[in-house]
This record gives sequence, C-alpha cells and structure tokens, in this order.
Amino acid sequence: DAGVIQSPRHEVTEMGQEVTLRCKPISGHNSLFWYRQTMMRGLELLIYFNNNVPIDDSGMPEDRFSAKMPNASFSTLKIQPSEPRDSAVYFCASKGSYNSPLHFGNGTRLTVT
Amino acid sequence: DQQVKQNSPSLSVQEGRISILNCDYTNSMFDYFLWYKKYPAEGPTFLISISSIKDKNEDGRFTVFLNKSAKHLSLHIVPSQPGDSAVYFCAAPRGGYQKVTFGIGTKLQVIP
Repeated sequence: DAGVIQSPRHEVTEMGQEVTLRCKPISGHNSLFWYRQTMMRGLELLIYFNNNVPIDDSGMPEDRFSAKMPNASFSTLKIQPSEPRDSAVYFCASKGSYNSPLHFGNGTRLTVT
Repeated sequence: DQQVKQNSPSLSVQEGRISILNCDYTNSMFDYFLWYKKYPAEGPTFLISISSIKDKNEDGRFTVFLNKSAKHLSLHIVPSQPGDSAVYFCAAPRGGYQKVTFGIGTKLQVIP
C-alpha cells in the first residue's frame, strides 16, 4: 500500500498563475479530504468527497479555488488565479470505513510570489 | 467556528518525564476523538483515538483521557522521548460522512 500520494511536493509560482495540486487516495478508500495548513489557522478543511461526490465545500476560501474528483483514484485542487496569501501546505487525506482514521499524503508546499 | 481548540501552541518537556497535551471541544455531538502526530515535511499520522463512551484509552506510552462534562481531552506521553518531538493535533469527526475538524496543533519538544 503506497499510501496517499500527492504531487507536486513543492510548487513555486507567480501571482496570477493557475496552480493544480493532485492527489491519489489509498485504493478502496471512499472519502477524500483536502486540507490547508497555515501557522495561524492550523489544519483547515477545504472540501471533502464521498464516493467521488463533493459533499461539503464550505471551507473553500473563494471562487478562485475549485476541486474535482473524476474517479475513485484521483482528485485535483485548482487555484486560479493564485495569490500570495494562498501560500501554505496543502494536504490530501483519504479514509475508508466509518470511524477509521484519516490517512494523509505528505502535502504540497505552495509558494506564490 | 473552532469546535476543537488546542490552547497551548508549544510545550517543552525533559526526556523521561510526562508530556500532557490538552484539547477542548464545544460540540457535544462528537462521538469520538483522535490524536495525530506530525513531523516536519510529512503529513499527519494517526496516533490514538477514544470513543465518547469511554474515559480512557491506552496504547503503550500514549494514553488519552476524555472528560465529557468538561468537554476536555488530554494526551499523556510517558515516558517522553526525543522522537516524540512533533506537532500534535486533536481532531473530531462528525456527521454521517465524518467531516473531521482539527485543532490548531501543539508543538512538543522533548529535550534530551
């Protein structure tokens, strides 16, 4: 089991550019979560999916953020256009059965200059 | 709306002593709680959990205590080791899809 895989590990981009973060959940897990970690707010839940369907996107900060899960093995988080305040570490996590813990990827560190 | 709160951003403990990390919550509907540990440049990893029907759960050096009347839980690490130095998050899922809310984290430093 390779765990949750995120790419890229690091992304540096200029303000105004489009950024796409990618995630491959653990096979068989039916829930997927996108989190953002900042010093001030800790781990914030942005959006989560169940069986590829977005359930709650109330944590997405602005319309510039969007997420998709076209199939059970792939999800993307897109920021367009990016801004310096989007700089953070973005984590993807998946979980299987009810009451099972989240399994996190190693995150994507995004820097917007 | 921070439903899970960790009020101590950092903690330093001598190796071999007890580390106590605290967490408060506001939503009485949470039915279980988890602690995660996070090393730099890695994602959080699950450490230990506790159901709301229990007041204690132990796993080796790690014990979590739950006080429902006070809406408070704590993680005890005994004895603390330098490898325990990390950021610790408490978390609670709720709802049918188990939306997981995390505290802001406590950075533990165990001094050799």
